[in-house]
Amino acid sequence: EDKVVQSPLSLVVHEGDTVTLNCSYEVTNFRSLLWYKQEKKAPTFLFMLTSSGIEKKSGRLSSILDKKELSSILNITATQTGDSAIYLCAVDTGTASKLTFGTGTRLQVTL
Amino acid sequence: EAGVTQFPSHSVIEKGQTVTLRCDPISGHDNLYWYRRVMGKEIKFLLHFVKESKQDESGMPNNRFLAERTGGTYSTLKVQPAELEDSGVYFCASSQGLDRVTYEQYFGPGTRLTVT
Repeated sequence: EDKVVQSPLSLVVHEGDTVTLNCSYEVTNFRSLLWYKQEKKAPTFLFMLTSSGIEKKSGRLSSILDKKELSSILNITATQTGDSAIYLCAVDTGTASKLTFGTGTRLQVTL
Repeated sequence: EAGVTQFPSHSVIEKGQTVTLRCDPISGHDNLYWYRRVMGKEIKFLLHFVKESKQDESGMPNNRFLAERTGGTYSTLKVQPAELEDSGVYFCASSQGLDRVTYEQYFGPGTRLTVT
């Protein structure tokens, strides 16, 4: 069965800290890995990664995929309270493009 | 551009009743997905429509769940009769494209279903 594991499950940091969230996967067919941010309701799309070693960047957030290690990291630098959310990692397993999700990492940024 | 919308945002029903959830995808998106998260667990795939056709319904829990996508636009997910274990948040997502390229899926806010 396809599996996506995220760590840590939960994280509390102070504003200004840098955090690294981890995602590892074990799937039979890999097409891409996606990161989402979920604050209250809808998960909002952050990044889609298909190629190993190419960093995707958006402001203070960046992510990279390592296909050899079957993993990805999401970095957030200079965290702000608005970064508090659940960060979800999902893998597109290519079968009808359905996503297999991890349980998420809950990030809390305090003042 | 309007995002994916879902209705209702929250539904509380009694065991044995019927509930219908609605999803309006982003205009022009051919792919529509239903997912569900039960408490404490990860979001899980239910099914995938391409336009009006079911492409993959391997994640549907059982035959109490019926999904439709009329004319390839909005979709409904009916649960009949509802059981306690159906409680959870039902998400809808949509993406563009019919080819083999992967497109990001955009999610709606979810419908929280509580079966008592």
